[in-house]
Amino acid sequence: GQNIDQPTEMTATEGAIVQINCTYQTSGFNGLFWYQQHAGEAPTFLSYNVLDGLEEKGRFSSFLSRSKGYSYLLLKELQMKDSASYLCAAMDSNYQLIWGAGTKLIIKP
Amino acid sequence: GAVVSQHPSWVICKSGTSVKIECRSLDFQATTMFWYRQFPKQSLMLMATSNEGSKATYEQGVEKDKFLINHASLTLSTLTVTSAHPEDSSFYICSASAVRGGSPLHFGNGTRLTVT
Repeated sequence: GQNIDQPTEMTATEGAIVQINCTYQTSGFNGLFWYQQHAGEAPTFLSYNVLDGLEEKGRFSSFLSRSKGYSYLLLKELQMKDSASYLCAAMDSNYQLIWGAGTKLIIKP
Repeated sequence: GAVVSQHPSWVICKSGTSVKIECRSLDFQATTMFWYRQFPKQSLMLMATSNEGSKATYEQGVEKDKFLINHASLTLSTLTVTSAHPEDSSFYICSASAVRGGSPLHFGNGTRLTVT
């Protein structure tokens, strides 16, 4: 079956760096998405990786290894506003998104 | 950037009534729209995908006669929850793509439905 695994919750300190991991198993693969979702709000798109390697976008970077079925989202210089859930989603061969349950990130001062 | 407007943001209705949720793409033509439902502390669950001018494709387990989706124009899709029951209480989110069959990159702000 198709499956996405990511930690349920992580805690980090303001100003620090945190890495949120995601492993996926899908029927075929057409890319890996990361979204940020604040409590009570809809998700917002952060990144899309379809090739191996690291994509950097400001304080956020996303990495993909297709051979390992693995991705991570790296957040640098953490700010209190980064407290949110981070959703990993993999696109299968039918271009359907398979969603992870999300990682709740708690930032402490 | 691309903006998707969803209305209403929250609604409370009595059991047995119907509720309509609108999703509009404000600055682009949404060829494909996605409707999701999210229960507390759970991930997004895709309910249906609709392409403009076509009937919606519903995910397994989603009753198409209960959750009516209309995507009559390139900027508007509606989801109507008919004969709502308390178990339909959830956070409903729409998303839009400018490409037919494309990815849900742009989300509306969501509608929190409470059925009493």
